[in-house]
Amino acid sequence: DADVTQTPRNRITKTGKRIMLECSQTKGHDRMYWYRQDPGLGLRLIYYSFDVKDINKGEISDGYSVSRQAQAKFSLSLESAIPNQTALYFCATSDSRYNEQFFGPGTRLTVL
Amino acid sequence: GNSVTQMEGPVTLSEEAFLTINCTYTATGYPSLFWYVQYPGEGLQLLLKATKADDKGSNKGFEATYRKETTSFHLEKGSVQVSDSAVYFCALSQNSGGSNYKLTFGKGTLLTVNP
Repeated sequence: DADVTQTPRNRITKTGKRIMLECSQTKGHDRMYWYRQDPGLGLRLIYYSFDVKDINKGEISDGYSVSRQAQAKFSLSLESAIPNQTALYFCATSDSRYNEQFFGPGTRLTVL
Repeated sequence: GNSVTQMEGPVTLSEEAFLTINCTYTATGYPSLFWYVQYPGEGLQLLLKATKADDKGSNKGFEATYRKETTSFHLEKGSVQVSDSAVYFCALSQNSGGSNYKLTFGKGTLLTVNP
């Protein structure tokens, strides 16, 4: 089984809808991250969490919110989706002792 | 702030050709450097890393050497295969100062290897 899983893998929605993307990990890592990937822009950090009670904004948090329900679960919400949030979204985890991150398979989100 | 610049793609090679993907960085202190690979339809996987100057990271025939004097971490492979077709990302992370969580990525380089 994959160490970092994301659901759904693909989602098409309409402008104004609320969307939640979920991430679970079995690596036992304390840190979790949400990124978005856009062609030609690389990966940009949306939110990160060092533990259940420590959540921080990244570079591009506007229009997004997150919830760390447990050490192993970190969800990303779009309260009112807009077309320029169409992107590939990745969850990642890391151990606080090390700086390498482990990524999930991604969620492709399309906002019409 | 930190930044990573890698060569723009796409890069198209024939099987068994030599590969170089250039990566240079700007950072304070002594960051750790990484190459991640993203195969079609998948997430990013760590390919190799180096944590201090002159370290060489290697994996699956790929190599990169941490060159502090030129602030570079170029990715090389002597003989590419069709299965190496993917997007390659160079990245860095600070090792201290409370910022060891943050990965700064380059924009990615698409490699296509033809049989």
